[in-house]
Amino acid sequence: DAGVIQSPRHEVTEMGQEVTLRCKPISGHNSLFWYRQTMMRGLELLIYFNNNVPIDDSGMPEDRFSAKMPNASFSTLKIQPSEPRDSAVYFCASSLGGTGAMNTEAFFGQGTRLTVV
Amino acid sequence: AQKVTQAQTEISVVEKEDVTLDCVYETRDTTYYLFWYKQPPSGELVFLIRRNSFDEQNEISGRYSWNFQKSTSSFNFTITASQVVDSAVYFCALSWAGSYQLTFGKGTKLSVIP
Repeated sequence: DAGVIQSPRHEVTEMGQEVTLRCKPISGHNSLFWYRQTMMRGLELLIYFNNNVPIDDSGMPEDRFSAKMPNASFSTLKIQPSEPRDSAVYFCASSLGGTGAMNTEAFFGQGTRLTVV
Repeated sequence: AQKVTQAQTEISVVEKEDVTLDCVYETRDTTYYLFWYKQPPSGELVFLIRRNSFDEQNEISGRYSWNFQKSTSSFNFTITASQVVDSAVYFCALSWAGSYQLTFGKGTKLSVIP
């Protein structure tokens, strides 16, 4: 299995531009997570999908952030417009755990390092 | 409230030394899950182990071992005969029954010096 695949690995963009991060979860996994990692706040959950449905987006910082999962093998995280404080590493993770049962491990992608200048 | 504390921010050891990374957790739930992840300099998060709250047996995997003690709410990680390739940031994480998210500690940066 190729694992969770994220693209791009690095993204540098100017403030105000739209940024789209992409994720392909592990085949057969029904849960998908987007996390953000910063020095100040560590790893924090942004949004959780189960069976392609957003279950909890309470971690999404602002309306500038949106996420979609049009099918079981693809998800996007979009920031529009981007700001310098959005600079961080964004991780996508997938697991076999269903809603309400984090009883299996989550496998993480390699992350996308976003820099907004 | 759920919380994970990794009090050691950075640790440096000389190669072949043993090193223990501490993890203390807080939760009111009786059913919960503990994890360790490794983040090498390349940046990815690598799953190492998952342990549920009903299994207090220690686990050993090669040079890695984990000590789970509910009495002290700790889930410590020991690397025996450390190697340079063990240099990474190690995260302890907690999840609980009925939850889907991981609560991560702040991480411990381990540097193994040749």
